[in-house]
Amino acid sequence: NAGVTQTPKFQVLKTGQSMTLQCAQDMNHEYMSWYRQDPGMGLRLIHYSVGAGITDQGEVPNGYNVSRSTTEDFPLRLLSAAPSQTSVYFCASSYGLAGQDTQYFGPGTRLTVL
Amino acid sequence: AQKITQTQPGMFVQEKEAVTLDCTYDTSDPSYGLFWYKQPSSGEMIFLIYQGSYDQQNATEGRYSLNFQKARKSANLVISASQLGDSAMYFCAMREGNFNKFYFGSGTKLNVKP
Repeated sequence: NAGVTQTPKFQVLKTGQSMTLQCAQDMNHEYMSWYRQDPGMGLRLIHYSVGAGITDQGEVPNGYNVSRSTTEDFPLRLLSAAPSQTSVYFCASSYGLAGQDTQYFGPGTRLTVL
Repeated sequence: AQKITQTQPGMFVQEKEAVTLDCTYDTSDPSYGLFWYKQPSSGEMIFLIYQGSYDQQNATEGRYSLNFQKARKSANLVISASQLGDSAMYFCAMREGNFNKFYFGSGTKLNVKP
């Protein structure tokens, strides 16, 4: 049971390049989310999904796309990277939305856009 | 308005002493959950404790307890008998209703001195 995995761990992009951050979980969780963490700002929600085929926007969705074709995978796409997207990205999943159904976080991807 | 406010960017505590990390929240939803996470320097997010809005008693988990004052909309984390391994960033988070949206505070960096 690997939990939530993210690849790559580190990535450097040039402005305008595109890439996909991968996220997978093996806990059969319905709910998955993407966050970015910037210094002094905590984590901010980018996009989330409540099940395969269903996604919605969070607080800071601009510049990012997501899709959820399977329960296990929830990739985050940057179509045209900008320096403002330099951040640490966390993927998270949870079993449900009731009570103390907490989120389980992946190890994060540190992205630098030059 | 900020959903979660953590007003202590950094704190020091002597080993074996207790420390309180402050968190206030803002919501008009009667149903919500409050979470605390620990982020060590290695970067992973570790779930510590949960408090539901309808819970009558303060949550406790080992050395962690949550001082929940609903009328004041505060959910302070109390760590008893601090250990060197408690040195980390601590984030307060809230989930409103039954939605897969978590709001995080900006965090408090705790340093435990030997």
